[in-house]
Amino acid sequence: EIVLTQSPGTLSLSPGERATLSCRASQSVSSSYLAWYQQKPGQAPRLLIYGASSRATGIPDRFSGSGSGTDFTLTISRLEPEDFAVYYCQQYGSSPMYSFGQGTKLEIK
Amino acid sequence: EVQLVQSGAEVKKPGESLKISCKGSGYSFTSYWIGWVRQMPGKGLEWMGIIYPGDSDTRYSPSFQGQVTISADKSISTAYLQWSSLKASDTAMYYCARHQTVHNWNDAFDIWGQGTMVTVSS
Repeated sequence: EIVLTQSPGTLSLSPGERATLSCRASQSVSSSYLAWYQQKPGQAPRLLIYGASSRATGIPDRFSGSGSGTDFTLTISRLEPEDFAVYYCQQYGSSPMYSFGQGTKLEIK
Repeated sequence: EVQLVQSGAEVKKPGESLKISCKGSGYSFTSYWIGWVRQMPGKGLEWMGIIYPGDSDTRYSPSFQGQVTISADKSISTAYLQWSSLKASDTAMYYCARHQTVHNWNDAFDIWGQGTMVTVSS
């Protein structure tokens, strides 16, 4: 079972700043099968990034993903007010369980 | 429009059984894997398992194997998550979600249902 550890647990930033979120895997994630989701209060998660670096349909280009192996990063280049939410990474390369990280809360400073 | 619509909130007592549903529309229901994700109050996302409605091939997380049953009825484009005997610790929001690419087992979830809140309390 691959365990994903996200850091930091909470990130406090201001609109317009750059956000860097980390996701570290306990084993290598095959074929960069790593996704990032955004979840706002009372809403279902939304897919942002898949394949470690490909943006999902309709996702603004201020969101970018990078990394391979065991270390992955989600970067939001210039924070907009609507970007403050909880972010989860997920690996989908190692069955039988496609695990999620514990989440990073991005809050307004 | 591609969407997944889940059944409504449930309030049950410990020991009762329950089956919640997730109806797909706007796409070929039999061609995409559908999974279930648990979110306990104030907590993160947990991957429970997944089913391919075309042939009902089902995979479970070891954490949920034997605790729940995932099924699908392709004739009505609906997936299900069921419990035979609920516990208070099953209280959570449950989401269904569809894989992004047709037939693809290794994939992210691109379409999510609105969630079904299950409350188990005596």
